[in-house]
Amino acid sequence: GQNIDQPTEMTATEGAIVQINCTYQTSGFNGLFWYQQHAGEAPTFLSYNVLDGLEEKGRFSSFLSRSKGYSYLLLKELQMKDSASYLCAVRGNGGATNKLIFGTGTLLAVQP
Amino acid sequence: GAGVSQSPSNKVTEKGKDVELRCDPISGHTALYWYRQSLGQGLEFLIYFQGNSAPDKSGLPSDRFSAERTGGSVSTLTIQRTQQEDSAVYLCASSLGAMNTEAFFGQGTRLTVV
Repeated sequence: GQNIDQPTEMTATEGAIVQINCTYQTSGFNGLFWYQQHAGEAPTFLSYNVLDGLEEKGRFSSFLSRSKGYSYLLLKELQMKDSASYLCAVRGNGGATNKLIFGTGTLLAVQP
Repeated sequence: GAGVSQSPSNKVTEKGKDVELRCDPISGHTALYWYRQSLGQGLEFLIYFQGNSAPDKSGLPSDRFSAERTGGSVSTLTIQRTQQEDSAVYLCASSLGAMNTEAFFGQGTRLTVV
């Protein structure tokens, strides 16, 4: 089976740094993705990790440890527009397929 | 096309009616996914198509739900005898391949069953 866990909600201050954690248990592993979803909008891709370590893209970074089944998304220099839901997704290998399974998302509120 | 296109954007239907939701993926994308998202919830996997392989239907919640993908392109999700609990946003996504490529989402179809 597949299980992906994220905190439900987080609050942070404008200009600060926030780390959103994700733990997973999947049948096989073919990569971990982070998506951002603003209220009423479709999810948009942020980052992808398939090897252990840190991937940096501007203000956003994502880390993966395959042995621990653990990832985090790091957001620096928070802006009000970063208030959104952040979705962790894992591409597994359930049988012959590589479907993309999402966690329930972490709703981040950035306060002034 | 420029992105994943879904239609209709909104659908209100009476309980017991059948509905069809359409997804037009990005041209050349071989993988296509359907998800369901209830208000304030995460994305619930429904079905996954990859090339000519048999689809992964393991997420379909009941036999009232079915989906097909014709010619490896457009996909239709059909819900028969709709129930109020089927009300949700149905999201379609496509990706270039099966492995290390991100999925791009359409804007979704908001289905309301009254």
